[in-house]
Order: sequence, then structure tokens, then C-alpha cells
Amino acid sequence: ETGVTQSPTHLIKTRGQQVTLRCSSQSGHNTVSWYQQALGQGPQFIFQYYREEENGRGNFPPRFSGLQFPNYSSELNVNALELDDSALYLCASSQLTSGADTQYFGPGTRLTVL
Amino acid sequence: GQSLEQPSEVTAVEGAIVQINCTYQTSGFYGLSWYQQHDGGAPTFLSYNGLDGLEETGRFSSFLSRSDSYGYLLLQELQMKDSASYFCAVRDNKTGRRALTFGSGTRLQVQP
Repeated sequence: ETGVTQSPTHLIKTRGQQVTLRCSSQSGHNTVSWYQQALGQGPQFIFQYYREEENGRGNFPPRFSGLQFPNYSSELNVNALELDDSALYLCASSQLTSGADTQYFGPGTRLTVL
Repeated sequence: GQSLEQPSEVTAVEGAIVQINCTYQTSGFYGLSWYQQHDGGAPTFLSYNGLDGLEETGRFSSFLSRSDSYGYLLLQELQMKDSASYFCAVRDNKTGRRALTFGSGTRLQVQP
């Protein structure tokens, strides 16, 4: 069973640029969620995708957008980067139709905005 | 909205028992989860309580009291490798299914 993978592991961008982060879900999972984790804080929910449709969104502006592909992999896009976007971005996959709430997290992408 | 409170730091010695408390406020409750995160690593699932009472998984146990909006994670026979951050989380029913709202985390330091 393949776990959740993310790329790249680290990224440095400048303010105003755009970034795309990628995630491959765990085999058999149909749902992917993206979280932002600032240093010393808990992960904050950005949005979730189920069967290629957005299935809920947290308190993040529209410049945060995403996609889920037929193979359940996913992208997180952030436009017009701001300094406060510097954080660890985590994706988590789960099986929505199962009874469990368990989410399986990838190792994350560390984004630094200068 | 939803919010969770947990202590920011806890220190204990190897072999000891430590309890990490979590209180929550939520408009709809679907259970309390616990995740462990080592520095530089991904959060990993530890335990879930959907009903009141104690759930035991090896050295780790988790307790929930829905009437008190309170839960705790109990770690027994502490080992150095247990040094990590521990997060309690509730399902965020306002923004979608299976998404989680996390507390700020409790950093556990295990000393020899």
C-alpha cells in the first residue's frame, strides 16, 4: 500500500508569485484535504476534494484553489503569494465512504515566501 | 465556530505516565481524534473517540466526556521517541465532511 506523497518538499518563492503543490493520495482513498500549518500551530483546513469536486472550504481566500484528478491525485495552487503564506502545506487522504474519520497525511511541502 | 484548547508544553521523564488534556467547543460533534507529529514529520493518527469512555491502543489511551466537552490522551511507559507534538482535533462539520479542526498542539518533551 503506497502512502501519501507530496512534491516538492521545499519551495522558495517571492511575494506576488504563484505556486503549485502536488499530492498523491494513498491507494484506495477518494478524498483529499489540504491544510496549512504555521510554525508552532496546528494544521488549518484549506479545502477538501471528493470525486474531483470541492467538498468544503475553510477560511482561506479565493487565491487558494485546487484540483483533484481522476486518479485522486491533487494540486493546491496559490496565487499572488504573501509573506504570511509561508508555512508547511499538508495534504491528507481518506476514504469518505468509510466509517472512520482517520486522515492520512503526507510529509508536507515547506513553502517560504520572501 | 469550533475551537480546541490544550496545554502548549508538557515535560515528563522516561517510563512515566503523562496526560494531555483537550477541551473543545463545537456546534456539532462527531468525535475527538488525536494525532502525533514529530519535528519535520507528518501528523499521524493515534486515536479516535466517538462515544464517552476510554479507548486503549497499546501504550496510548484516549478518553472522552461529551457532557464536559473534554478529552485526554494518556501516554504510559514513556519512551524518548514519544517526544513530539500532540494535537486533538474535531471534525469540522461546517466546511465539509471528514475535514478536521485542530488544536494548537501540545509539545511533549521526554527526558531521560
